[in-house]
Amino acid sequence: DSGVTQTPKHLITATGQRVTLRCSPRSGDLSVYWYQQSLDQGLQFLIQYYNGEERAKGNILERFSAQQFPDLHSELNLSSLELGDSALYFCASSVGGGGANTQYFGPGTRLTVL
Amino acid sequence: DAKTTQPTSMDCAEGRAANLPCNHSTISGNEYVYWYRQIHSQGPQYIIHGLKNNETNEMASLIITEDRKSSTLILPHATLRDTAVYYCIVRIISNFGNEKLTFGTGTRLTIIP
Repeated sequence: DSGVTQTPKHLITATGQRVTLRCSPRSGDLSVYWYQQSLDQGLQFLIQYYNGEERAKGNILERFSAQQFPDLHSELNLSSLELGDSALYFCASSVGGGGANTQYFGPGTRLTVL
Repeated sequence: DAKTTQPTSMDCAEGRAANLPCNHSTISGNEYVYWYRQIHSQGPQYIIHGLKNNETNEMASLIITEDRKSSTLILPHATLRDTAVYYCIVRIISNFGNEKLTFGTGTRLTIIP
């Protein structure tokens, strides 16, 4: 158990809909990262937050957005969903602040868009 | 981040040491070598990381060549639960905004009973 929690475990929805994925980082970690894993793209970095502020962006679509709240939990919002958004979405957390800054991953949310 | 090259797949007998190689010939002096593994569709699990020296923890050992162009992850006594995809990742010593992990295709390790 990494200490990172994600909800829900599974999500099934229809095209055009909007969903919110939630992540709680390990106690004491200030950085949260979101990754997407689809069959054809592998694990891809989406976005990073550090202590409530966006820190880095990767291959995140404009239809997707994220935020990190004062209690440090993070939410990833996916809107106007398409079939191709079906994937595993992982959250990771780290202490942040430079150095080795090892990331620890949550169990993921499996999103299925029908 | 430097690119890494790993074998697509490997087998290892249960109880034997599993040696997983990784080539990172373009690594620079300020980049770490990280190893993660992913069991089925679970979240990637951190194994070990190193900069220059060999490292050992309760899960594995990491051997980095003197020129840092390659490394080997060693699982000393492989069990069936070690069957997973293993990712070797090179990542710059972080400064803010440059901490993402870039996953390749990894090595699919199968432990044979």
